Amino acid sequence: GAVVSQHPSRVICKSGTSVKIECRSLDFQATTMFWYRQFPKKSLMLMATSNEGSKATYEQGVEKDKFLINHASLTLSTLTVTSAHPEDSSFYICSAPDRERDGYTFGSGTRLTVV
Amino acid sequence: GENVEQHPSTLSVQEGDSAVIKCTYSDSASNYFPWYKQELGKRPQLIIDIRSNVGEKKDQRIAVTLNKTAKHFSLHITETQPEDSAVYFCAASKRSYIPTFGRGTSLIVHP
Repeated sequence: GAVVSQHPSRVICKSGTSVKIECRSLDFQATTMFWYRQFPKKSLMLMATSNEGSKATYEQGVEKDKFLINHASLTLSTLTVTSAHPEDSSFYICSAPDRERDGYTFGSGTRLTVV
Repeated sequence: GENVEQHPSTLSVQEGDSAVIKCTYSDSASNYFPWYKQELGKRPQLIIDIRSNVGEKKDQRIAVTLNKTAKHFSLHITETQPEDSAVYFCAASKRSYIPTFGRGTSLIVHP
C-alpha cells in the first residue's frame, strides 16, 4: 500500500529557530498532502492542505507566515515552523490520499519540542 | 462543512468484554467512514472502513455499522484484549475530500 515517510521523528530546538519537517510519498505520487497538529490526548487538527505546484490552503486561525508549507514535487511536501516558540511544541503529522484504497495514509509524525 | 461527533471520550472495559464507540456526522454527502487506532506517539493506523453503500462490515473482532438515515456509525470490538488499548478516531469524508475526524476515544482494556 501507499507509504508516507516523515522526518524527523523527534526534534528539539531553541526558541526563535526554524524547523523543517518533510513528508515523502515513497511509492506513489502525492499531489495533495494534509498537515495536522495533535496535542496530547486530543484529536487531529487540520492545519493546511498542500497541493503540488500551488499555494497551500490554510485552515482558519493557522498563521501561514509561521507555518510555511512547500509542495514542490509530486513526492515531497515540507512544513517549516518559523521562529518557533514553546507553544509550538506539539505532534505534527502529515497524511496523503491513498487513491488505490480511496482512503488516507499517514506519516509517522514529528514530535517537536521548543525549549 | 462536515461535523463529526464521537462518544465516549474515554471507555474503560475488562479484558474479554465488548467495546462500542459511536460517531455521528452532519453532511449527508459523506460516503467514506474510516476508523483509526493510534498508539501513544505513533501514527494513526487504519483498522477498518466502510462506505455508504454498505450497512455493516466485519474483520475478525472488529466490526463497523453505518446508519445513513440517522447519519451515525459505530465501531464494535469484541473479546477485547489489553493490546486493544489505544485512542480510536472515526472520520467522515466525501470521495477524495479532506476527512473530518472525531475527537477520539481513549480505550483502556484492563487485564
